[in-house]
Amino acid sequence: SQQGEEDPQALSIQEGENATMNCSYKTSINNLQWYRQNSGRGLVHLILIRSNEREKHSGRLRVTLDTSKKSSSLLITASRAADTASYFCATKFDSSYKLIFGSGTRLLVRP
Amino acid sequence: SQTIHQWPATLVQPVGSPLSLECTVEGTSNPNLYWYRQAAGRGLQLLFYSVGIGQISSEVPQNLSASRPQDRQFILSSKKLLLSDSGFYLCAWSVSPDTEAFFGQGTRLTVV
Repeated sequence: SQQGEEDPQALSIQEGENATMNCSYKTSINNLQWYRQNSGRGLVHLILIRSNEREKHSGRLRVTLDTSKKSSSLLITASRAADTASYFCATKFDSSYKLIFGSGTRLLVRP
Repeated sequence: SQTIHQWPATLVQPVGSPLSLECTVEGTSNPNLYWYRQAAGRGLQLLFYSVGIGQISSEVPQNLSASRPQDRQFILSSKKLLLSDSGFYLCAWSVSPDTEAFFGQGTRLTVV
C-alpha cells in the first residue's frame, strides 16, 4: 500500500487564496519530499524536509513536518492559476532505497 | 548539468507484443534509478529501483522486468504486453535516496 496519503484528493480555490495540502505516512522516515506534476508530464521536485526539521520555506511554499503525528503539510500562499497541478508527497523509509509516493492532491486554482 | 532522457513519449502496442522503454541519465555517475507507473488520475506506483549496474529490486510482481546494462541506462521491458500494462511510465534518478529525484517526461503506453 502507499506509504504517503494526501488529503484532500482534490482542492479548488480562487486565485489569491492559500492552498493547504496534507500528507500522512505510516512508518519512520528520513525525509519527506513534495513534488508537483502538471497534467501528462513528469514530476518536479518542490521541497525536501528532513526528519529533524519542523518547517521549511521556499518562495510561496511552506512545508511543515510533525513526526509525532506522522504528517506533513504543504501550504501555497497567494495561489496563481499557474499553480494548478497535482501535488504529491514522497517518503523514504529508514534504511531503504525506496522513494514512495502518495496518491496526490489535484489542485485547481480558478482565475 | 544533469539531464534525464526518456523515450518514446507515447506508444501504442498490441496485446502480446514486446516492450522496451529506455531511460538515460547524463551528467552524473552511479545514480539511483527508478521506474514508476501511474494510472490515470492516480499516484505513482514504484515498479523497480536500482542502486548500481546489474542491481535491480522489484517492487511489484507483474508482467514487467527491468535491466541496467550501463551505469546511466535503465530499461523497462516486457515479453508480452497485457491490457493492464497500459499507463504512464516514469523514469527518475537521484544522487542518493536522501536527495531529490529528477523525473523524465514519461511514456504514455496504451496496449490495445
